[in-house]
Amino acid sequence: SQKIEQNSEALNIQEGKTATLTCNYTNYSPAYLQWYRQDPGRGPVFLLLIRENEKEKRKERLKVTFDTTLKQSLFHITASQPADSATYLCALGRGSYIPTFGRGTSLIVHP
Amino acid sequence: DSGVTQTPKHLITATGQRVTLRCSPRSGDLSVYWYQQSLDQGLQFLIQYYNGEERAKGNILERFSAQQFPDLHSELNLSSLELGDSALYFCASSGRLAASTDTQYFGPGTRLTVL
Repeated sequence: SQKIEQNSEALNIQEGKTATLTCNYTNYSPAYLQWYRQDPGRGPVFLLLIRENEKEKRKERLKVTFDTTLKQSLFHITASQPADSATYLCALGRGSYIPTFGRGTSLIVHP
Repeated sequence: DSGVTQTPKHLITATGQRVTLRCSPRSGDLSVYWYQQSLDQGLQFLIQYYNGEERAKGNILERFSAQQFPDLHSELNLSSLELGDSALYFCASSGRLAASTDTQYFGPGTRLTVL
């Protein structure tokens, strides 16, 4: 069955640095991948979507890459700020199927 | 604010009981999704409704059921509750039939505690 792996350990970085989060998957060929942000006790918020034929997508300080050969997506936040501290979830989907979510990685940006 | 509302915000009940969670989608959205999120399982898709009809089913237990009403609000019914049902339950909505690449807008969630 398909498996989505996100680092369960929190990522701690200093303000101003670039945060890089990883989403790996196996036994699956997603047509697209989404990234969501989730704050404690709140619902996920959609950030970016990247399709299988796109290598990279950018939105303000966010950048997502999608490598179908490595079966991996990288999510970058440049010039990180303490307000970026949250859990980031990746979700993979194909066709009309409901996307499957990873368990997320916690990002902590220290001032 | 996503525009999706969920009630109640918190719910504490005992094993064996039955509860109903309510969700109102964003104005104009026809699809409603229910998810369960626990520490050990992550965000698990339960069920999707579109314009009143069930469209997709995920890891939903037989003790759980849902429906979407003509005014498009949805209810998730959880019965014969067990300790393991304690979790955050999220509702999400989107505009079109297929979730696919549609952005899902999540509500604030209902935290269910089964004692």
